[in-house]
Amino acid sequence: GAGVSQSPSNKVTEKGKDVELRCDPISGHTALYWYRQSLGQGLEFLIYFQGNSAPDKSGLPSDRFSAERTGGSVSTLTIQRTQQEDSAVYLCASSFGGALDTEAFFGQGTRLTVV
Amino acid sequence: GQQLNQSPQSMFIQEGEDVSMNCTSSSIFNTWLWYKQDPGEGPVLLIALYKAGELTSNGRLTAQFGITRKDSFLNISASIPSDVGIYFCAGQRAGNNRKLIWGLGTSLAVNP
Repeated sequence: GAGVSQSPSNKVTEKGKDVELRCDPISGHTALYWYRQSLGQGLEFLIYFQGNSAPDKSGLPSDRFSAERTGGSVSTLTIQRTQQEDSAVYLCASSFGGALDTEAFFGQGTRLTVV
Repeated sequence: GQQLNQSPQSMFIQEGEDVSMNCTSSSIFNTWLWYKQDPGEGPVLLIALYKAGELTSNGRLTAQFGITRKDSFLNISASIPSDVGIYFCAGQRAGNNRKLIWGLGTSLAVNP
């Protein structure tokens, strides 16, 4: 597609349930990021995929969070046993990932509400 | 995790005023990017800077890559109500790690 696509756009889940958030990056982009953003706050880095390199998972807040990127394209962020503090907007971004082409393009985000 | 020092955190200005915000780092950066985020949307790239000293304009927006490679600023001239939003700086450090590092954002409010 022309841009980064995230689904679902909104997700309401009960505390304790698992959720999966999907990101379709721009075709050809080798770098993919996941961020979490609380209302009116900055971007909290979660995980970074770059080509075939091992992902940088240093931002994942707990072992309930995990992410995969299959075939270097689509990525899924999974949150297990959701808690109310997981409620936020989850943003995905992708870029070509080159040394001089690091511009990241964002999706619209998934708004997660844990009740 | 590492973050850039972005200031000010928020600004309240009158329509027509000029705005300036900046980001600094203790590390040398190869790239500086400036983004704007409207409510309910993902951040959108405004200006990308790749060379120390580079000064780039995009309409009423002007950004510069500091010559020390440790800072960047964004200026908005003659602000209008639609400039309201959160502005983020981001950069890529010198070295092999290409992960973008982000500032915490500057929230801009414009009084018409």
